[in-house]
Amino acid sequence: DAGVIQSPRHEVTEMGQEVTLRCKPISGHNSLFWYRQTMMRGLELLIYFNNNVPIDDSGMPEDRFSAKMPNASFSTLKIQPSEPRDSAVYFCASSKTSIANGYTFGSGTRLTVV
Amino acid sequence: QKEVEQNSGPLSVPEGAIASLNCTYSDRGSQSFFWYRQYSGKSPELIMSIYSNGDKEDGRFTAQLNKASQYVSLLIRDSQPSDSATYLCAVMVSGTYKYIFGTGTRLKVLA
Repeated sequence: DAGVIQSPRHEVTEMGQEVTLRCKPISGHNSLFWYRQTMMRGLELLIYFNNNVPIDDSGMPEDRFSAKMPNASFSTLKIQPSEPRDSAVYFCASSKTSIANGYTFGSGTRLTVV
Repeated sequence: QKEVEQNSGPLSVPEGAIASLNCTYSDRGSQSFFWYRQYSGKSPELIMSIYSNGDKEDGRFTAQLNKASQYVSLLIRDSQPSDSATYLCAVMVSGTYKYIFGTGTRLKVLA
């Protein structure tokens, strides 16, 4: 099992540019979660999907953020336009919701907006 | 607003000692609780889950849950320098599949 795969690992971009983060969940997992981690605020849930359908996007900070899950094996988180305060580590995680036994996290994408 | 509270630390313990990490939560309906370990620059890694009141042991780790007091703890016996990391408490919000994480406790095990 390859685990949850995120790309890119690092992204440096200029303010105002569009950023797209990608995630491939573990095969067979039907829930996918996007988290953001900063020193000040810790791990914050942005959005989660169940069976490719967005269930709760109450954590998405503003309209500049959007997420999609076109199929069971791929999700994207897009920031447009990016701002310096978006700098953080973005984690994708997946789980089987039939079993409440914890998420598996990807390696994360470290985003720096200058 | 559902909350999960942890002492940020650092908690320093000598090698071989017991490390005790604590977490309180506000959602009385929560039924599932998790401890994650996160090394610096790495992603969180699940180490324990607990669903019933009492203790659950796995190797050197023991998770303790008291739903009446809304309190979860993690004990690490025979602490090793390799246990030095940030430990995150996570609580599944009742009626959902989403977890709220505490900000973590940084543990330092001194050789």
